[in-house]
Amino acid sequence: AQKITQTQPGMFVQEKEAVTLDCTYDTSDPSYGLFWYKQPSSGEMIFLIYQGSYDQQNATEGRYSLNFQKARKSANLVISASQLGDSAMYFCAMSGVYTGTASKLTFGTGTRLQVTL
Amino acid sequence: EAGVVQSPRYKIIEKKQPVAFWCNPISGHNTLYWYLQNLGQGPELLIRYENEEAVDDSQLPKDRFSAERLKGVDSTLKIQPAELGDSAVYLCASSLGGLARSTGELFFGEGSRLTVL
Repeated sequence: AQKITQTQPGMFVQEKEAVTLDCTYDTSDPSYGLFWYKQPSSGEMIFLIYQGSYDQQNATEGRYSLNFQKARKSANLVISASQLGDSAMYFCAMSGVYTGTASKLTFGTGTRLQVTL
Repeated sequence: EAGVVQSPRYKIIEKKQPVAFWCNPISGHNTLYWYLQNLGQGPELLIRYENEEAVDDSQLPKDRFSAERLKGVDSTLKIQPAELGDSAVYLCASSLGGLARSTGELFFGEGSRLTVL
């Protein structure tokens, strides 16, 4: 079974500062993918960044980077230069590669980020 | 290109009434997902389709929930009869197939928010 844990229900960050959202995971799959999604108040889930378990380098997408520490089973999201529009719920998710876990995202409970002036 | 379209956005019904949600995925996306998102929680998979075949419906409460994707394009999720505990957001998502980064991530609609009174 796969499990995602996000221990921060809410976070505050000042505009232009960097913030780290925590995510730890547990899986028995030897190969897996880790995702971060943003959910603004409009409701849709917006893909931000992906990290494969065998990727050698940490993923980056613009202001988003994923701090992947495989031995610690953590996949923290770092948002640099926060903007007011970053205020939203953020979900960490994972998928496996075998039947039953592939093509299926397991989500954490989310972290609500509030960017302040 | 149009994203994933869901309707209705909001639905209020009394308990024991039926309700149906519709989803039109992104053109060309073979895989379609229905997720349930309770308040303050991450989405949980209800059912996954590969074209017209339901390949993972292990989380779908089959006594009252049903889904169909007859022509492998749009899909309908039905609840009959609805219970108070069904109040939630029902998210539809689509993907090209699989969740490997090379084949693309999930694209979500804005969801259908159900309130059962």
